[in-house]
Formats: sequence, structure tokens, C-alpha cells
Amino acid sequence: EPEVTQTPSHQVTQMGQEVILRCVPISNHLYFYWYRQILGQKVEFLVSFYNNEISEKSEIFDDQFSVERPDGSNFTLKIRSTKLEDSAMYFCASNPDGNSPLHFGNGTRLTVT
Amino acid sequence: RKEVEQDPGPFNVPEGATVAFNCTYSNSASQSFFWYRQDCRKEPKLLMSVYSSGNEDGRFTAQLNRASQYISLLIRDSKLSDSATYLCVVSGGSNYKLTFGKGTLLTVNP
Repeated sequence: EPEVTQTPSHQVTQMGQEVILRCVPISNHLYFYWYRQILGQKVEFLVSFYNNEISEKSEIFDDQFSVERPDGSNFTLKIRSTKLEDSAMYFCASNPDGNSPLHFGNGTRLTVT
Repeated sequence: RKEVEQDPGPFNVPEGATVAFNCTYSNSASQSFFWYRQDCRKEPKLLMSVYSSGNEDGRFTAQLNRASQYISLLIRDSKLSDSATYLCVVSGGSNYKLTFGKGTLLTVNP
């Protein structure tokens, strides 16, 4: 079964540093998403992306965050200047048409020290 | 009312028990409804979509009541492998954005 893959599985960074989290969505999917989950809390929507532009974003997704699809396969989330409170599990997801259930990658655990 | 609210749990049940999860949502414009399960420190995985007529998949039954903005999941004959956090997931006004409940932890004991 096709999978969403994410790299790295764990990223440790210092406060103020930039990080890029990478995702390869399922190949025939057209809608891409980033969610995050702070330890012990619920999964929160960050951003959705379709046709090379952001479709919707949450209030969490401020100017420190950006997304990009630099080529035909990768989908990246950049955090420009990380804060301690950015420490969380970041999940990439995709679906073929915006209405179907999401397929999640296995996540990147980001630890900001 | 919170966007998506679930039983806080946790639930501890013996193998073979029947367990029910409840969920309410606040956005009457929501169109899509799902139950996901999440194992500890893993990604959410789709358990089942929830349809207006109710639907069943083996030991799992999901119900939706749009008038009450209420969703349920019933697990019959629970197995040890059912131990996980069960997440109620609802689309917002836009289908691009899913809103998750906080989840209900289920532990099935031998």
C-alpha cells in the first residue's frame, strides 16, 4: 500500500535555528497537509496545500512557517526561527481530492532546546 | 461548545467487552466524519469513515446524528490489539481542514 513518508524521524535543534521537515506524499494525491501534535495534546491543523498554493491555514501557521513543493514529489514545512513551544510531532498528510480520509506519514519529532 | 469534544476517558475494559465512544461537534456545516486510532507516539490511522445511515465494519459500528451533532463508535468483542487512543475527526466548513478531538484512550486487559 502506498505510504506518505517523512524525514527525518527525529530532529533536534536549538532555539532560533531554521528547520525544514520533509514529506513525500502519495504519488497520485493532489492535496497536502501539515498537522502537529504537542505531547499529550490533540492533533492540530497547520496548513493545507493544493495546486501549488496554500488553501487554508490555521492561526498557528504564522509568518515563521512556510510550505513548499520544490519538485514533483517533495512537500516541505520550514520553520524559520524555532521556539521552544514548536517542540511537537509534525505529521504530513495527503489525500487525492480534498474530501477523502487523510493518509498520514509517520511523523517527525521536533525537539527545540 | 468545543469544536470536537470526546469522552475524556481513559477506558479500561476486559477482553471481549463492548465499549462505546461518544463525540460531539460544534460546526453544523461539517460534511465529513471519521474515526481514527492512534497508537502511542505514532501517526493517526483511519479506522472508518462515518456515514449518515450508520455503518459497520466487522466489530466496529459508527453512527452519526446530524441533528444532535453527535457521532459514536461501538467496538464489540474487544481485543488486546484494540488498545489505542480513538480520535473523533470532523471536517470544518471547508473540507480541506479536519478538526480532531483530543481522543479517548482505550486499554483492553487480558
